Amino acid sequence: GAGVSQSPSNKVTEKGKDVELRCDPISGHTALYWYRQSLGQGLEFLIYFQGNSAPDKSGLPSDRFSAERTGGSVSTLTIQRTQQEDSAVYLCASSTTGTNYNEQFFGPGTRLTVL
Amino acid sequence: RKEVEQDPGPFNVPEGATVAFNCTYSNSASQSFFWYRQDCRKEPKLLMSVYSSGNEDGRFTAQLNRASQYISLLIRDSKLSDSATYLCVPSLSGGYNKLIFGAGTRLAVHP
Repeated sequence: GAGVSQSPSNKVTEKGKDVELRCDPISGHTALYWYRQSLGQGLEFLIYFQGNSAPDKSGLPSDRFSAERTGGSVSTLTIQRTQQEDSAVYLCASSTTGTNYNEQFFGPGTRLTVL
Repeated sequence: RKEVEQDPGPFNVPEGATVAFNCTYSNSASQSFFWYRQDCRKEPKLLMSVYSSGNEDGRFTAQLNRASQYISLLIRDSKLSDSATYLCVPSLSGGYNKLIFGAGTRLAVHP
């Protein structure tokens, strides 16, 4: 079956511009997560959705970052007024529920480069 | 102190070798534990869950020591295809499965 998909796969933008990153989770997965991975670093948690609500958004680094999820499915991560330090791979994952030992399946990521 | 500490490597080993990776985690509230594998410029994929009694999956054996907050992964009979970065991932159970990723240990298996 179809896995987690993300678009675009690559995004190059200029400092100060806004960007939107999209995630399509596996059908039926109620839990959705956003992470980012800077070069040579581990994955950094950004936000967790259960259905359309975000009970944990503690990882969002600043108020320039926001995310929403609609219809319990597609999620969009928006970065406003991008900065060079926002350059990273943004990964989305989904799982059947949010409970322990439910495997998180990752999408291929969006590579964001801010010039 | 980092939440998850791993030796970044790289571990360069010949095919057929046995190699072990260790990981320590700082949050004693961690409930579940995993090893993920990440190939270069790819997304992470679950390799195996780690259970309290230790568990084995083919050539891979995972051990957990809660008292020492220590997790290990042993790979026997290494294959070229095992070359990847191995991520140690405890999770917190604050109502959901919040994964805390280590930076990973890089393994390079050579002929």
